[in-house]
Amino acid sequence: DQQVKQNSPSLSVQEGRISILNCDYTNSMFDYFLWYKKYPAEGPTFLISISSIKDKNEDGRFTVFLNKSAKHLSLHIVPSQPGDSAVYFCAAYNTNAGKSTFGDGTTLTVKP
Amino acid sequence: NAGVTQTPKFQVLKTGQSMTLQCAQDMNHEYMSWYRQDPGMGLRLIHYSVGAGITDQGEVPNGYNVSRSTTEDFPLRLLSAAPSQTSVYFCATGGGTGLYGYTFGSGTRLTVV
Repeated sequence: DQQVKQNSPSLSVQEGRISILNCDYTNSMFDYFLWYKKYPAEGPTFLISISSIKDKNEDGRFTVFLNKSAKHLSLHIVPSQPGDSAVYFCAAYNTNAGKSTFGDGTTLTVKP
Repeated sequence: NAGVTQTPKFQVLKTGQSMTLQCAQDMNHEYMSWYRQDPGMGLRLIHYSVGAGITDQGEVPNGYNVSRSTTEDFPLRLLSAAPSQTSVYFCATGGGTGLYGYTFGSGTRLTVV
């Protein structure tokens, strides 16, 4: 039973346009949601997070939206840049369990 | 400031061999964990630790062993390597609430032949 799902394995967008990456979860016990970015041959790096009591968090070009009723979150990147090309992992954190569950990742390609 | 250091970066093992993947952190984080990433898949938790002397199993612990004798180090032992353990292994640390995310090492690419 996959508790965190990223249904789109890949996404391609034009430079300057918006990138929207989606993530769904099933466990209501998650209380933080995070996005990580991963370049080839490197470890994932933390990008942005949101508490379950919020519905939006913004950091520069990156905004994460949370819809608790739909158990859905999304990452918006505006404007997209070629350097944003990477694999993006959605993760959900359960404070009581003390650990994170990751989705399978979405490969974003931003074309110049 | 090194953050999280994993060694080795690459390793080839024969089936049945044992080895230890090293992870060291200088961030004074209590939480440390090991993940594996297989092609097209996400990060799956192998084992984790919330402090020195405390370890627990993740979702895919079979074939792996861990110990945590110090805050800084969290080695992962493969007891008898199998081809199914061919993967990229990441060590991660966390210092606070889920809001701040984990810091990952650069990974160990392991091939078992």
